[in-house]
Amino acid sequence: EAEVAQSPRYKITEKSQAVAFWCDPISGHATLYWYRQILGQGPELLVQFQDESVVDDSQLPKDRFSAERLKGVDSTLKIQPAELGDSAMYLCASSFGGPGQKNTEAFFGQGTRLTVV
Amino acid sequence: QKEVEQDPGPLSVPEGAIVSLNCTYSNSAFQYFMWYRQYSRKGPELLMYTYSSGNKEDGRFTAQVDKSSKYISLFIRDSQPSDSATYLCAMRRSGGSYIPTFGRGTSLIVHP
Repeated sequence: EAEVAQSPRYKITEKSQAVAFWCDPISGHATLYWYRQILGQGPELLVQFQDESVVDDSQLPKDRFSAERLKGVDSTLKIQPAELGDSAMYLCASSFGGPGQKNTEAFFGQGTRLTVV
Repeated sequence: QKEVEQDPGPLSVPEGAIVSLNCTYSNSAFQYFMWYRQYSRKGPELLMYTYSSGNKEDGRFTAQVDKSSKYISLFIRDSQPSDSATYLCAMRRSGGSYIPTFGRGTSLIVHP
């Protein structure tokens, strides 16, 4: 069964360091999402891509977070510098369709659990 | 007030019980309603998906949407210990960027 792949599964980093997460969506899925999930809360969108273009990054803290999907397939989310409050699960999701299309439900990867110390 | 409200629980039930999980929402533009199951330290897994009002059944799971009351439910029949997880409701509009908005999740514990 096709899955959204994420790596690493776990990451511990010191504050002020840079950290990066990688996501490979389900093959053929044009839409890719990065979510952040704080323990005990629901996922909150950070950025949405349609192919290689950013559709919505209004909730992405752009002073320290960046995301790219250069070839419209896999994606990288970076944090520089990391802060203690960034400790959370970072989830990648993908969907077949995009704005104006059906079959747009999101399928999630296993996430990267980030701990900033 | 958040757009989607969900009681975090935990909800503890005995094995075999019927479980009712609920969400309320404030945005009348929401047309698509989803339920995700999330096991500890795992990503959410899409469980049920419904459009507009009505019921949808899949095995032991039934999703119900009442748009007039802005209220959605997930029922689990004959609950099993393996159903112990956090259940997240999510919903989105029919247009725009299709970004789902999530509730905070309800923790369910089914004890043998």
